[in-house]
Amino acid sequence: GQQLNQSPQSMFIQEGEDVSMNCTSSSIFNTWLWYKQDPGEGPVLLIALYKAGELTSNGRLTAQFGITRKDSFLNISASIPSDVGIYFCAGHGGAQKLVFGQGTRLTINP
Amino acid sequence: GAGVSQSPRYKVAKRGQDVALRCDPISGHVSLFWYQQALGQGPEFLTYFQNEAQLDKSGLPSDRFFAERPEGSVSTLKIQRTQQEDSAVYLCASSRTGLEGNTIYFGEGSWLTVV
Repeated sequence: GQQLNQSPQSMFIQEGEDVSMNCTSSSIFNTWLWYKQDPGEGPVLLIALYKAGELTSNGRLTAQFGITRKDSFLNISASIPSDVGIYFCAGHGGAQKLVFGQGTRLTINP
Repeated sequence: GAGVSQSPRYKVAKRGQDVALRCDPISGHVSLFWYQQALGQGPEFLTYFQNEAQLDKSGLPSDRFFAERPEGSVSTLKIQRTQQEDSAVYLCASSRTGLEGNTIYFGEGSWLTVV
């Protein structure tokens, strides 16, 4: 099925470093969402973006909805151990279903 | 309950066995979704309900997969004659209206292993 291209697939960083990940699509999306999934859990919504060009922050997280409506990025500043997990981007293209990226696995070295 | 509840959390099925996975959405949520997540992949859409009506089942991989929500609340995903490729986490999600802009809340998933 249709998927978003998410990169990088994995990241290994030191605690305190900033993190950046992004998603691109060949299709236009009306809504971009960023989720975090911990082992054995379902995805939890971090940030939702509804307008092209929109830049939204949630604590140490910042995400932007690309102006072309075909891309989005998520930044995490000053990473802490509880940031470890898998981050997914997801898009709403007008249908009810979400299309997900393949995920970015974040590992933090203490 | 406070969140989306799924059962069983873990299911091991022998190949050829039928399984049924249950989802209790957040009370009052009109829309309910089922997703399939293979190991190391993002979730993939299976089907969508608005109340009791199944409005989109385009993601169901074969006619062995069947979902229902007869009274517009609890939903069951049934997989007949399970195959090894059905091994995955099955995620249920709900939202208040299903419109874009409404937060979609996911359950913890039902982990299915077919042996």
